[in-house]
Amino acid sequence: GENVEQHPSTLSVQEGDSAVIKCTYSDSASNYFPWYKQELGKGPQLIIDIRSNVGEKKDQRIAVTLNKTAKHFSLHITETQPEDSAVYFCAASISGGSQGNLIFGKGTKLSVKP
Amino acid sequence: NAGVMQNPRHLVRRRGQEARLRCSPVKGHSHVYWYRQLPEEGLKFMVYLQKENIIDESGMPKERFSAEFPKEGPSILRIQQVVRGDSAAYFCASSPPSLRAIQTQYFGPGTRLLVL
Repeated sequence: GENVEQHPSTLSVQEGDSAVIKCTYSDSASNYFPWYKQELGKGPQLIIDIRSNVGEKKDQRIAVTLNKTAKHFSLHITETQPEDSAVYFCAASISGGSQGNLIFGKGTKLSVKP
Repeated sequence: NAGVMQNPRHLVRRRGQEARLRCSPVKGHSHVYWYRQLPEEGLKFMVYLQKENIIDESGMPKERFSAEFPKEGPSILRIQQVVRGDSAAYFCASSPPSLRAIQTQYFGPGTRLLVL
């Protein structure tokens, strides 16, 4: 089955710096890659997603890149702010028919220091 | 629009009791997913349901766990005879019906189960 590895497990940056989180997946059939932000005591919130027919997607300070050949995808946060501090999860999915469940990485705890 | 609702938010049970977790999807969503999250870990898929049907239960433990999504009312995740290892946060997600294969999943706030 699908396996998603996520690095680093913790990341500390200064306010205004960039943060990069990387994930690899094992199943080449995976075609959907969302990123979720989880704050303490809350549920995961979707921040950006990318489908396998796209190499890069950007939404204001957040961008995601996908390399299907290498089977890895990355989250880039620019101009980080203290409110970006949270745990970030990548996930992969093989969508369609009876599929659709997300396989999550173990998370990256991002700390943005003011 | 209301998002995914889960209740209770916190649930304490003694070993051997039953736990019933409820999930109301986003209005109009007919697909529900349940995930479990252990402390300091990512979410693990448990079960995928559509109205009145279990589509994929490959992540559900074979015993003591069951899930349903009736025609009317919320989806229910039931854990019978709970053990301490069942202590975790349980999240429900929903997605809309669509001809498209890929659907975004929206998560609820979770139910934190503590088994004493």
